[in-house]
Amino acid sequence: DQQVKQNSPSLSVQEGRISILNCDYTNSMFDYFLWYKKYPAEGPTFLISISSIKDKNEDGRFTVFLNKSAKHLSLHIVPSQPGDSAVYFCAAPASGTYKYIFGTGTRLKVLA
Amino acid sequence: DTEVTQTPKHLVMGMTNKKSLKCEQHMGHRAMYWYKQKAKKPPELMFVYSYEKLSINESVPSRFSPECPNSSLLNLHLHALQPEDSALYLCASSQDATSSSYNEQFFGPGTRLTVL
Repeated sequence: DQQVKQNSPSLSVQEGRISILNCDYTNSMFDYFLWYKKYPAEGPTFLISISSIKDKNEDGRFTVFLNKSAKHLSLHIVPSQPGDSAVYFCAAPASGTYKYIFGTGTRLKVLA
Repeated sequence: DTEVTQTPKHLVMGMTNKKSLKCEQHMGHRAMYWYKQKAKKPPELMFVYSYEKLSINESVPSRFSPECPNSSLLNLHLHALQPEDSALYLCASSQDATSSSYNEQFFGPGTRLTVL
């Protein structure tokens, strides 16, 4: 049972435009969600998180929105830059544990 | 220092070899993790150490043997691996391993392992 899903394996966006990466989840008990960015041959880097009691968190060009009724979160990057090209994973801690459940990732390509 | 370091970066080994992967952090974190990541897949949790004690083993085969010599170090001993064990092995750490608090995990760059 895939509790955290990223249904778009890839996304291409023009430089300067908005990138929107989506993540759906099935477990309403998650306390918080995180987004990680991963370049090839490197470990994931923490990007931004959101508590389940909030609906928005913003950090510079990155904003995460949480829609609890739809069990959906999205990461907005604006303006997108070529250096943002990477694989983005959403993750959530399994209820009652500190085990992260990762989505399958979305490969973002920002075109110059 | 917000860095998790891993050595070696790359490792090629035969199925009869014994090797070890090393991970180190100096952030005072008390939880450390080993993940395995195959191409185009998310990281999969293997082991969790909390306060230097093994607290989670995700049914990992015994040819993988973790060790936590102290709160800053985490090793993964490898023996008699199979070619399908070839993957990126990631180490991570977090402040602690309690489920009730926000716990961002910091990842190392990984060791790219190839088993011939």
